[in-house]
Amino acid sequence: DAKTTQPTSMDCAEGRAANLPCNHSTISGNEYVYWYRQIHSQGPQYIIHGLKNNETNEMASLIITEDRKSSTLILPHATLRDTAVYYCIVSRPPGNTPLVFGKGTRLSVIA
Amino acid sequence: GAVVSQHPSRVICKSGTSVKIECRSLDFQATTMFWYRQFPKQSLMLMATSNEGSKATYEQGVEKDKFLINHASLTLSTLTVTSAHPEDSSFYICSASDSYNEQFFGPGTRLTVL
Repeated sequence: DAKTTQPTSMDCAEGRAANLPCNHSTISGNEYVYWYRQIHSQGPQYIIHGLKNNETNEMASLIITEDRKSSTLILPHATLRDTAVYYCIVSRPPGNTPLVFGKGTRLSVIA
Repeated sequence: GAVVSQHPSRVICKSGTSVKIECRSLDFQATTMFWYRQFPKQSLMLMATSNEGSKATYEQGVEKDKFLINHASLTLSTLTVTSAHPEDSSFYICSASDSYNEQFFGPGTRLTVL
């Protein structure tokens, strides 16, 4: 699987949008971009994924650049409960493929 | 989304004993499940891939005789840590994929070996 690069940590004010970047310059044509988050002492939670088009769901928006070498996860109105480690992962559809986790970005939402 | 459960959520055992951790997909069938472990302040590390009805595939450096995996049905995989030692203390997490190719994770099991 392609590797990803994320900032180690970020802060965001409560109520503001949190924009988490991810670089994946070696992504292959059949690999998707997945985002998960892990709140302390819990299992990872699926957030969103995309191939090349921007995606939006009830949790977040995913913006993928046209060349697919980077993406940004947007939490439109961050709350204190969004404080977590966010992982950007590139992978083929993980039906039988394990997800390989990097170090992620530790997002701290501040009141 | 689909739900994956783990049992127990927390276990403390004496050194030398064996501990079994269960991973269940509650509302879908999963032919493949994955086992990860996570040490404090580190990321998740893949241990093995569990396939229903066949032997598990272990990652390099993971001892298959120490971490026994059984995937006897489409909704249950078990990880047994045999002869546990303090260095096996960790957060063990399983995951499973549904028919839409989304992977869901269990809540994790914290193992402490005294």
